[in-house]
Amino acid sequence: EPEVTQTPSHQVTQMGQEVILRCVPISNHLYFYWYRQILGQKVEFLVSFYNNEISEKSEIFDDQFSVERPDGSNFTLKIRSTKLEDSAMYFCASSSRRSDTGELFFGEGSRLTVL
Amino acid sequence: KQEVTQIPAALSVPEGENLVLNCSFTDSAIYNLQWFRQDPGKGLTSLLLIQSSQREQTSGRLNASLDKSSGRSTLYIAASQPGDSATYLCAVSPTQTSGSRLTFGEGTQLTVNP
Repeated sequence: EPEVTQTPSHQVTQMGQEVILRCVPISNHLYFYWYRQILGQKVEFLVSFYNNEISEKSEIFDDQFSVERPDGSNFTLKIRSTKLEDSAMYFCASSSRRSDTGELFFGEGSRLTVL
Repeated sequence: KQEVTQIPAALSVPEGENLVLNCSFTDSAIYNLQWFRQDPGKGLTSLLLIQSSQREQTSGRLNASLDKSSGRSTLYIAASQPGDSATYLCAVSPTQTSGSRLTFGEGTQLTVNP
């Protein structure tokens, strides 16, 4: 069964460093998303991406964050200068517009630890 | 602003018992509602999706219902098994055209004891 894959599974970084989290969405999907989950808290929406541009972003997604689809398969989330409070599990998700159900399929997540 | 609440926060049942997990949302203008399963330290696995025009969806031992007007959904698990132990999350989507910006509840942590 097709799945969303994310790398790395765990990354430890120093505060102020840049981090790039990578995702390979399901191949025929058209909408891509990043969500995050701080330990013990709700899963929160960060950004949605369609047709090579951001379609919606939350108040969390400030200038420190950016997303890119550099080629036909990868979808990346970059955090320019990490802060302690960026420590969280980051989930990539994708959905197929053609299915018209809007069902989201999530990856296993990338755990980011900022020291 | 949409708020999603799940009750109970935690539930422990003996194997074989039928159980119901509850989800409520404050804004009934939803496009769909999705139930997920999350194992510790893992990603989210989609269980069931109910469109706003539907009343329920079934998959195996799982049945999800939706009452949009009252802002409620339930997930019914029949004949629970230890392998069902996980956190169950519900999430609502406000509209199709903006992409599925899901709003999640905090989840119900289910433990099924052998």
